[in-house]
Parts: sequence; structure tokens; C-alpha cells
Amino acid sequence: SQQGEEDPQALSIQEGENATMNCSYKTSINNLQWYRQNSGRGLVHLILIRSNEREKHSGRLRVTLDTSKKSSSLLITASRAADTASYFCATATYNQGGKLIFGQGTELSVKP
Amino acid sequence: GAGVSQTPSNKVTEKGKYVELRCDPISGHTALYWYRQSLGQGPEFLIYFQGTGAADDSGLPNDRFFAVRPEGSVSTLKIQRTERGDSAVYLCASSFGTSNEQFFGPGTRLTVL
Repeated sequence: SQQGEEDPQALSIQEGENATMNCSYKTSINNLQWYRQNSGRGLVHLILIRSNEREKHSGRLRVTLDTSKKSSSLLITASRAADTASYFCATATYNQGGKLIFGQGTELSVKP
Repeated sequence: GAGVSQTPSNKVTEKGKYVELRCDPISGHTALYWYRQSLGQGPEFLIYFQGTGAADDSGLPNDRFFAVRPEGSVSTLKIQRTERGDSAVYLCASSFGTSNEQFFGPGTRLTVL
């Protein structure tokens, strides 16, 4: 079953603009992770934010987590054509090992 | 170092056949996960191993699906009597511990005709 819902399902922007993707989830979590996927194959881990953290940065990526609203957002600043991919949020809950529950993803298209 | 590898990269089989999908995790990673991804969807959890034992197999859709990890490293996902609905990309991931990022392999695309 899918825990997360991602919004928007698809996003098209121009190179240099910022892209914001949102993720909502249903149950209490241990951590939330964002992944990128190109061409429907292997996923690449982008960033992990733990339930006691509110914001995290990694290069051009900024992730926020609001556990009271059960939501997270991923901001990609100064986007590049190479950022074109599908982006997924995934949650890990306590007492369930590291099993991840993924959202349905946001398809990002960055036009040069 | 080497990442997670999966073989074969593509597998085409006929309905009713048996298939095995292999995953080689990153050396030293104790946790190994299998997910299945259908077109346009996010990956869905199937099973995870901590060492040699299946710690959680709640995502396996039915008893036609089985996975092993006999020596705590390589894992094999086995599907009996394949059905057309089994067609998907099967993804394997590994991690050091269970509270950390997972490293995914490139996946095996299974097509059941």
C-alpha cells in the first residue's frame, strides 16, 4: 500500500527556476527520505530527514518536515535540465525495520 | 566501491513459468530489501532481510513469491507459476542498519507473456 501522496504529480519548469514538490503521509514516522529515479529504473537516494529534524540542506536541495501536518517538501533551487526525473518520498516507521513506503512520485521536467 | 547489482536486467517469460531474480548487495550491508514497481507507480515493499532471516515478508502478494538470503549476502527472489500481473520492475536495495539510506540496484524488468 502507498503511504504518501505527492503533489504535484507532474511539474514542468524552465532551467534556472526552483522546483517544489510536496509529500503527505499518514502514520508516525522514524524518518522520511527523498529519492530520484531516471527512466523507471534504479532509485538514487537524495536526502534523509529524521522525525526530530525540521529542515535539512544538501547542495541545491532543501527538505522540510512538519510532523504535526504529516508533510514534507523538497525544494530544488536553480534547476538544471539534468534534474529531469521522477522524485519520490518514502517513509520509514518505527518498529518496522527500514522498510520504506513510497509515494506515487512527482515527474519533474526541466526545459533548457 | 561496487553498488547493488541485479541480474538479469530483463527477463521475459511465459505465464506459468518459474523465475529467479538475483540481488548482490553492497558488501557489509546487513539489511536487504525487495520492492516491486509497476509503471507510473512508486515502489511497493515486498520483503526485507536482516542478515539471513526474513524480518518482514508482509509485502509478498501471495505464496507464489518467496525469497531467500542463505548466507546473509546475495538474495534470490523466486516466483512460481508466473502470471501476467507479475510483470513489473523488481528492485533490490541494501543498507547498513535499518535506519539509514537505502542503496538501490538498477532493477530487473520482468515481463510475463
